[in-house]
Amino acid sequence: DAKTTQPNSMESNEEEPVHLPCNHSTISGTDYIHWYRQLPSQGPEYVIHGLTSNVNNRMASLAIAEDRKSSTLILHRATLRDAAVYYCILSSTGANNLFFGTGTRLTVIP
Amino acid sequence: IAGITQAPTSQTLAAGRRMTLRCTQDMRHNAMYWYRQDLGLGLRLIHYSNTAGTTGKGEVPDGYSVSRANTDDFPLTLASAVPSQTSVYFCASSASPGVVGREQFFGPGTRLTVL
Repeated sequence: DAKTTQPNSMESNEEEPVHLPCNHSTISGTDYIHWYRQLPSQGPEYVIHGLTSNVNNRMASLAIAEDRKSSTLILHRATLRDAAVYYCILSSTGANNLFFGTGTRLTVIP
Repeated sequence: IAGITQAPTSQTLAAGRRMTLRCTQDMRHNAMYWYRQDLGLGLRLIHYSNTAGTTGKGEVPDGYSVSRANTDDFPLTLASAVPSQTSVYFCASSASPGVVGREQFFGPGTRLTVL
């Protein structure tokens, strides 16, 4: 599976937008981009996924670069509950495994 | 809706003992997974099951076994626990096999300490 690179940590003020970057320069044409997050002392939870086009759902937006070598998870208004570790994961069709890296620890400042 | 339940919440046991971690889901999902999470290493897949009656090895299967007798239950067994198996264990499920475009739902985890 292709590797992703994320910053170890980021900070955001409450109620401000947050842009979480992910680099995946070795992504293949069949790799999907998934984002999961893990709140303290909980299991991971799905946030969003996409292939080529930008995606929006009730939790977040996913912006995918035209060359697909990077993507950005956008939280439109950070809340204290959004403080978590965010994982950017690539997976190909047929894969059975989500390869979690170390993710980005987001701190939300009141 | 309970989703995925795991038991026990936490457990400490002596090395060499046998231990079974339980996982039950009520979503009628076909696929189930066991991950372990160690500090600084993210989550790693131990075993998976695409449907009842089938299992497969993940990234770190050694020292663990699983069974899938029915859709709802996916127990993970450590036949003879060793200290390196100290970790937080997460069970997950998805409606169908494969991870692409399929949301995985995770349980609350079991914190296991092997002395």
